[in-house]
Amino acid sequence: AAGVIQSPRHLIKEKRETATLKCYPIPRHDTVYWYQQGPGQDPQFLISFYEKMQSDKGSIPDRFSAQQFSDYHSELNMSSLELGDSALYFCASSSSGANIQYFGAGTRLSVL
Amino acid sequence: DAKTTQPPSMDCAEGRAANLPCNHSTISGNEYVYWYRQIHSQGPQYIIHGLKNNETNEMASLIITEDRKSSTLILPHATLRDTAVYYCIVAHGSSNTGKLIFGQGTTLQVKP
Repeated sequence: AAGVIQSPRHLIKEKRETATLKCYPIPRHDTVYWYQQGPGQDPQFLISFYEKMQSDKGSIPDRFSAQQFSDYHSELNMSSLELGDSALYFCASSSSGANIQYFGAGTRLSVL
Repeated sequence: DAKTTQPPSMDCAEGRAANLPCNHSTISGNEYVYWYRQIHSQGPQYIIHGLKNNETNEMASLIITEDRKSSTLILPHATLRDTAVYYCIVAHGSSNTGKLIFGQGTTLQVKP
């Protein structure tokens, strides 16, 4: 069965650079969530989209933005990267009416 | 969103049942109890969820107390591959309002 696809799997950036993380949800899933997991931390909700509209927002820095496109894939854009942005970034998708979230394998971002 | 309390760690012998408790005394009437697990930096994996009735699937059973203030996840025959961090999460049942708030979770160590 198709799963949530995230790319890239690993990303190395320097401070003040920008990064774009991509998420391809399970086919026919209309809701996408982004989570950040710092080293030794639990996942923290960043932002979600339902039918291409932002549906909820968590502790996402103003330097980050995200959107969901017409094909339901989503991108998380991160600018002015800081050392503290080094983390695992997970995307999850679900279908409307059932809040069962399926997670991708994550993107490991390292900011040097 | 309601918060949950879980023991930080538990051990279980391989082949025995693992019973993971969770307190969620401030759960509201329209919130569900979800269980996810995370195996060593992989994406969190959905296990089971319920509203007020006990639930069972191929992975686990979920027992919810009548007052809904606590629940227990049961892995009937734990294997070494069940070693993971288990998260009990209270969230809405609708996907477009269903962000997951991860607490500290229980680290389950299954031993031979």
